[in-house]
Amino acid sequence: KAGVTQTPRYLIKTRGQQVTLSCSPISGHRSVSWYQQTPGQGLQFLFEYFSETQRNKGNFPGRFSGRQFSNSRSEMNVSTLELGDSALYLCASSSRGPSTDTQYFGPGTRLTVL
Amino acid sequence: DQQVKQNSPSLSVQEGRISILNCDYTNSMFDYFLWYKKYPAEGPTFLISISSIKDKNEDGRFTVFLNKSAKHLSLHIVPSQPGDSAVYFCAASGYNQGGKLIFGQGTELSVKP
Repeated sequence: KAGVTQTPRYLIKTRGQQVTLSCSPISGHRSVSWYQQTPGQGLQFLFEYFSETQRNKGNFPGRFSGRQFSNSRSEMNVSTLELGDSALYLCASSSRGPSTDTQYFGPGTRLTVL
Repeated sequence: DQQVKQNSPSLSVQEGRISILNCDYTNSMFDYFLWYKKYPAEGPTFLISISSIKDKNEDGRFTVFLNKSAKHLSLHIVPSQPGDSAVYFCAASGYNQGGKLIFGQGTELSVKP
């Protein structure tokens, strides 16, 4: 089985712009979660989608949003980028959800905001 | 409020010896625990997990121990190999956690030949 894939792997944007990141889960997995990793804050949960519905959301501002498509692929969007949004964004998939099943992570998208 | 803590930011071990990585948690509602290994600029790789109904789970060189009364888990790697050098994260989840993993801050393991 192919693993979780994320595109693009690297991205450079300037403040005020918006960005869309994409995640394709492992085939058959219906839950997709997004995390932000920064040196100071570690790995922090952004949100989780299951069957096209956002089930859970972390403590991030409304500039961070996401969606999931019928084929379980997911996108996350960050609008009005700030310097502090520079981070590694990780997507993880699992069969039913992180509470019951192991999450498998993609390689991440490294976002740099200048 | 950090619900999952890895108090040792780094650990250095000789090749062939045992590596013991520790993790403490505060939320008694956590019922599923995992260890991930991470290299720089890559996503975390799942290593091993344990449910709260068990106190030990073993997979090859990796064993995870869970002490619920102490709210403590540990990962043992025996024998340690230079390829094990990476950052190790412990993570916890639970039915009341709203579908998210809570991660510790990570411990950087260095295995020296």
